[in-house]
Amino acid sequence: SQTIHQWPATLVQPVGSPLSLECTVEGTSNPNLYWYRQAAGRGLQLLFYSVGIGQISSEVPQNLSASRPQDRQFILSSKKLLLSDSGFYLCAWSVGLLYTEAFFGQGTRLTVV
Amino acid sequence: QKEVEQNSGPLSVPEGAIASLNCTYSDRGSQSFFWYRQYSGKSPELIMSIYSNGDKEDGRFTAQLNKASQYVSLLIRDSQPSDSATYLCAVNTISGTYKYIFGTGTRLKVLA
Repeated sequence: SQTIHQWPATLVQPVGSPLSLECTVEGTSNPNLYWYRQAAGRGLQLLFYSVGIGQISSEVPQNLSASRPQDRQFILSSKKLLLSDSGFYLCAWSVGLLYTEAFFGQGTRLTVV
Repeated sequence: QKEVEQNSGPLSVPEGAIASLNCTYSDRGSQSFFWYRQYSGKSPELIMSIYSNGDKEDGRFTAQLNKASQYVSLLIRDSQPSDSATYLCAVNTISGTYKYIFGTGTRLKVLA
């Protein structure tokens, strides 16, 4: 069966520090991968999605970037965090085109101080 | 206009009642529709997907889709206090991408 791992679960980082969040999927090949952010009391904002290695689409211009170095690995990065980067970061995966469900990892709660 | 709209709530229902959650979407090209449940501090978990007009039932949950009205709903029968959570509606389109667009969610409170 497929599983998704996301770490760390919580993170407190100072303003201006770098960020690296990692997500890996097991049990499937060529998944679509997504990074979402959820601010406190808000909905899910799609940040990046990827349909294959090296293929990254950005939805929101900001100081974040994403990379997909391997088929089942998706990384979210920042060179310098802002206070506004605080939130709940969620990685998700799906397989195929339409009529396919997306499943989420456990999330990383990031607090920028 | 937001792509996926939901009433933020809270929607309060007594235990044992039917909870009705609604969602509208703006992209007529949308083909796939999903309901997720999110407990406070946790990640969303998939409850149901629906792809065709009409009703789809799974246990106490029924999803309803009306593409002509661009409307999706979720009914929860025999609501339990454990159903208290935020319910997120999500939509996938045929616009050439594979992204899932979420509404802001409806907070449901089931009163014991």
